Amino acid sequence: ILNVEQSPQSLHVQEGDSTNFTCSFPSSNFYALHWYRWETAKSPEALFVMTLNGDEKKKGRISATLNTKEGYSYLYIKGSQPEDSATYLCAFLSGNTPLVFGKGTRLSVIA
Amino acid sequence: GAGVSQTPSNKVTEKGKYVELRCDPISGHTALYWYRQSLGQGPEFLIYFQGTGAADDSGLPNDRFFAVRPEGSVSTLKIQRTERGDSAVYLCASSEIGQSEQFFGPGTRLTVL
Repeated sequence: ILNVEQSPQSLHVQEGDSTNFTCSFPSSNFYALHWYRWETAKSPEALFVMTLNGDEKKKGRISATLNTKEGYSYLYIKGSQPEDSATYLCAFLSGNTPLVFGKGTRLSVIA
Repeated sequence: GAGVSQTPSNKVTEKGKYVELRCDPISGHTALYWYRQSLGQGPEFLIYFQGTGAADDSGLPNDRFFAVRPEGSVSTLKIQRTERGDSAVYLCASSEIGQSEQFFGPGTRLTVL
């Protein structure tokens, strides 16, 4: 059974703080690592699809890194805003299994 | 353009009843996925369609669950003899052939009383 772990489970930060969270996944048979942002009552929104070891991707104030050899990815948010409050999900894709999701990190940004 | 839509957004039913959940994928997306997210868990894979056929149904928990996609577009997830443990958010996603990025609908929240 493939195991995808995310930490922390939840996080409260003040507006303007920078934050980061971790996704760990199996280091064998890697194909892709996905990050999604899921706001309550909305559709999960794709942030990044990462495929290469050492990948760094950036979208506005959000960025992500990938280490496939050791099986982890970090998501960073610079200068958090209240609208960043959401659950951030990572999902691991191997060559022969469907997407396996972590339980998510629930971020609350306090104004 | 239109994204993935799911209906109903909320469904409350009684234990033992039958329910159908509908997914309209993005037009032209040949791949369609169903996931279930129970409280405190991440989304869990249920079934994957490539076109009209179920390419992988290994995530369906038991034979009370069934899904169809008869014309390769809209899909219906069917749950017979619902149980309280079936209460969850059921998510649908679609993708283009050969692409791993999936586009999700807003989900159907199913509550079994």
